[in-house]
Amino acid sequence: AQSVAQPEDQVNVAEGNPLTVKCTYSVSGNPYLFWYVQYPNRGLQFLLKYITGDNLVKGSYGFEAEFNKSQTSFHLKKPSALVSDSALYFCAVRDGGNTPLVFGKGTRLSVIA
Amino acid sequence: DVKVTQSSRYLVKRTGEKVFLECVQDMDHENMFWYRQDPGLGLRLIYFSYDVKMKEKGDIPEGYSVSREKKERFSLILESASTNQTSMYLCASIAQGALNYGYTFGSGTRLTVV
Repeated sequence: AQSVAQPEDQVNVAEGNPLTVKCTYSVSGNPYLFWYVQYPNRGLQFLLKYITGDNLVKGSYGFEAEFNKSQTSFHLKKPSALVSDSALYFCAVRDGGNTPLVFGKGTRLSVIA
Repeated sequence: DVKVTQSSRYLVKRTGEKVFLECVQDMDHENMFWYRQDPGLGLRLIYFSYDVKMKEKGDIPEGYSVSREKKERFSLILESASTNQTSMYLCASIAQGALNYGYTFGSGTRLTVV
């Protein structure tokens, strides 16, 4: 069975500082990894994905994520945080085939001016 | 852009009522999903469907059923609403040939059962 862990419920960072939101995963086969963002009272928006290829993937709004197979991690990063990045972030994983995405519990990011 | 529309943003229903949550997508996607979102629990999969008339149980199907009579519409049914079904419900879809891409989510329905 596949699973995702987001070890931090909340991450606080000052505007302009780099941010990291952590995610570790467990799948039986090759992982298909995703990050989503949710703004208040909205659905989830796709940020970026890793399927294969370069371990560093770039996505929307200046976010990037690093796939680390040995540590089974897929941490979300941004070099310089904005107040507007404050939101709820979800990591998700599935294995190959047509299995549904499994989501983590979410991490609330708060960027302070 | 693909649009996934959930018919209600907010719903208040009474305990014991039969509740229908509707989801419509406009891009002919084969795969559709219902998740519920609760604080501290993230998103949990209730039911999903790979095509018309098809349905599969997710991780928490108890107390729910679904209907997929047309490809664009996936309905979630609470047979007899209970207070522990108060939650945010999110619908998502994706094309069968685009599984390497992200799901498209609706804006969600916040259901309160009183």
